[in-house]
Amino acid sequence: QLQLQESGPGLVKPSETLSLTCTVSGGSISSTSYYWGWIRQPPGKGLEWIGTIYYSGSTYYNPSLKSRVTIFVDTSKNQFSLKLSSVTAADTAVYYCARRGVPWMATTNIDYWGQGTLVTVSS
Amino acid sequence: NFMLTQPHSVSESPGKTVTISCTRSSGSIASNYVQWYQQRPGSAPTTVIYEDNQRPSGVPDRFSGSIDSSSNSASLTISGLRTEDEADYYCQSYDSSNVVFGGGTKVTVL
Repeated sequence: QLQLQESGPGLVKPSETLSLTCTVSGGSISSTSYYWGWIRQPPGKGLEWIGTIYYSGSTYYNPSLKSRVTIFVDTSKNQFSLKLSSVTAADTAVYYCARRGVPWMATTNIDYWGQGTLVTVSS
Repeated sequence: NFMLTQPHSVSESPGKTVTISCTRSSGSIASNYVQWYQQRPGSAPTTVIYEDNQRPSGVPDRFSGSIDSSSNSASLTISGLRTEDEADYYCQSYDSSNVVFGGGTKVTVL
């Protein structure tokens, strides 16, 4: 059974960089059939896609966050990571890592989610 | 980039049917699959419909999905409404570069 687990600081100061890692177990992050990504949800609000990475390192970012986001993969550790720079209180959210199928290779829904981790931006 | 618009909330009595719409702002709704997720408080979302109208194993057949090209929208229908269906529901689609979520619809079972 595939499992995704987010890890990283739960508190980040304004203007600093938020860093999270997702560890994948029970399956390989090097699969050609899946994208890996980050999604966030501010308290009481809806889901927002942050970005996606393919095992090859190809990345796709939400245009509204693109200037501040970096997602990278470490296939040797079966992990992928998120960095979000210059954070403000508006970046306070539950951050989920997730897996999504590549069209024509797997079902295109997000079929596995991490449990989510709350990151608060505050001094 | 396109947007997906959902009603903020819907409510209905147990045993009744609710339908949630998800309207795509630009580009054809049929050009990329639509998925629907259910999210209960404190939990990660789970898929109730994928690829327009497919139900994952374990999801009751009370849940169904469809798309309508004339209105450029997708719909999630929950029939025989139960109290356990009370949750937030999100539609989601994608294009070549982006993943897009609708704003979410809160379903209340009266």
